Amino acid sequence: GESVGLHLPTLSVQEGDNSIINCAYSNSASDYFIWYKQESGKGPQFIIDIRSNMDKRQGQRVTVLLNKTVKHLSLQIAATQPGDSAVYFCAENAGGTSYGKLTFGQGTILTVHP
Amino acid sequence: SQTIHQWPATLVQPVGSPLSLECTVEGTSNPNLYWYRQAAGRGLQLLFYSVGIGQISSEVPQNLSASRPQDRQFILSSKKLLLSDSGFYLCAWILQKETQYFGPGTRLLVL
Repeated sequence: GESVGLHLPTLSVQEGDNSIINCAYSNSASDYFIWYKQESGKGPQFIIDIRSNMDKRQGQRVTVLLNKTVKHLSLQIAATQPGDSAVYFCAENAGGTSYGKLTFGQGTILTVHP
Repeated sequence: SQTIHQWPATLVQPVGSPLSLECTVEGTSNPNLYWYRQAAGRGLQLLFYSVGIGQISSEVPQNLSASRPQDRQFILSSKKLLLSDSGFYLCAWILQKETQYFGPGTRLLVL
């Protein structure tokens, strides 16, 4: 079936660097994408979302880029901090009558070194 | 504001015992509700979702069942737990937009 996957399972950066986490999706019908951050032992926390009619969306220190041509999604974190260390998941919603169901990628472990 | 609760936070159960995990949402009405399971170091697998009271859809065949006795209450159950039921169980909700918001999760260990 359709799936969402990640290019890199782990990412290590130095504090202050910019981080880029990538995600590939295969369902061309997906029209809504979300990035979540999950800290150890906690539920996923919403970071930022983007609809398929957009290419870029910015939040506080985070930017999500969507390339529909190659079905690629990325999360950019500016000035990465130790508190950003977590597992990051992308998720897609195929819309229509999918009742809000999301398909999640495997996740990328981000480690920020002070 | 809306909040979502799950309990218990952790649970250790013997194989063959029953299970009941509860999820409740506050501050909203008629949300879509979801149960996910997450194995250690893995992604989230959707187990069940509900669009209203008494309406349950199962995503994967398994040893678990779900019920929605009230608008803001979602229950995950099992009559006899298996070792493979161990994992981190997450409840989530949606109101109007497609963003799902997750609860704190229940960590289940079946021995």
